[in-house]
This record gives sequence, structure tokens and C-alpha cells, in this order.
Amino acid sequence: EPEVTQTPSHQVTQMGQEVILRCVPISNHLYFYWYRQILGQKVEFLVSFYNNEISEKSEIFDDQFSVERPDGSNFTLKIRSTKLEDSAMYFCASSEEVRVTEAFFGQGTRLTVV
Amino acid sequence: GNSVTQMEGPVTLSEEAFLTINCTYTATGYPSLFWYVQYPGEGLQLLLKATKADDKGSNKGFEATYRKETTSFHLEKGSVQVSDSAVYFCALRGAGNNRKLIWGLGTSLAVNP
Repeated sequence: EPEVTQTPSHQVTQMGQEVILRCVPISNHLYFYWYRQILGQKVEFLVSFYNNEISEKSEIFDDQFSVERPDGSNFTLKIRSTKLEDSAMYFCASSEEVRVTEAFFGQGTRLTVV
Repeated sequence: GNSVTQMEGPVTLSEEAFLTINCTYTATGYPSLFWYVQYPGEGLQLLLKATKADDKGSNKGFEATYRKETTSFHLEKGSVQVSDSAVYFCALRGAGNNRKLIWGLGTSLAVNP
């Protein structure tokens, strides 16, 4: 069964460092998403991406964040200068097409900023 | 704005007990409603969904009915198993072309043999 894969599963980084979280969405999907979950809090939407551009972003997704689809398979989230409060589980998701359809999620990357 | 309120956990049940996890929402128009499950060490998996009022989503013995009048989407299962131990998330997607999911806090369920 096709699945969304995320790497690494856990990343520890120093405050102020850049970090790139990687995702391989399901191959025929067209919409891609990043969500995050800070420990003990709700899962929060960060950004959605379609047709090689951001289609929607939340207020969390400020200038420190960027997304990219560098090739036909990967979808990355970059945090330029990490802060302690960026520590969270980051989930990548993808979905097929317009209308209402479920998003398929990866296992998540746990980011710890020290 | 749209929001989801979910019953707080943790919930601990014995095997074969009846499960209800409450979920209510606030939204304009007619959102779509989802339950996702996260088993230990795994990602978020769609458990069931309902896209319009009075729809019932069901999967793996779990059910939830989209109640517009009470703005609720409670998750139920008649007889839980140890393998159902997981975190359950209620979520909604707003009406129209809005694609992002709005999430509840998640409810941890532990089922004891």
C-alpha cells in the first residue's frame, strides 16, 4: 500500500541552526501539507502546497519557514533559524485531488531544538 | 473560526467495554468531519469520515454520525480490543475549497486485557 514517508524520524538541532525535514508523498497525489504538534497541544496546520506553490499557510508559517518540491518526489520543510519553541512533531501529508478527500500522513519527524 | 473540541483523556477501558469519545465542532457552513488514529510509533491514519449531515462513517467496528443539530461527531465502538489502544483525533475540514484540517487535542485510549 502506498504511504507517505518522512525522514529523519528524530532530529536534534542547536538553536539558531537550519533544519530540513524531508517527505516523500504518495506518487500520484497533487496536494501536500505540513502540520506540527507541539507536545501536549493540538495538531496545527502549517502550509499546503499545490502546483509548485503555496496554496495556503497559517500564521505560524512565517519567514523562518519555507517549503520546496525540489524534484518529482520529495517535499521539504526548511526552518532557517530554529528556536526552542519549534520543538514539535512535524507531520507531512498528501492528498489526491479537489473536493473532499482524506489526507494521508507520514509517521512524523520529532524535532528537538536544544 | 472553525474549531474542534474533543473529550480529554486518558481513557482506560477493559477489553470488550463500550467506547465513546466525544467530539463537538464549531464551523460555518457544512464541514467534513474525520476521526484519525495514531497507534504507538506510527503516523496519523484516517479511521473514518463523514461529509454531510446524518452521514455515518464506520471502519474496524468504530462508528461516528455527523449530527448537524448538535454539532457533534462522537466516536463509538461496541467492544474494544487491546489492539485499539491508541490516540484518537477528531478533525474537520471547512466547507468549500478550504483543505486544511482543524484538529481536536486527541484522546489517548488504553485497553487492558
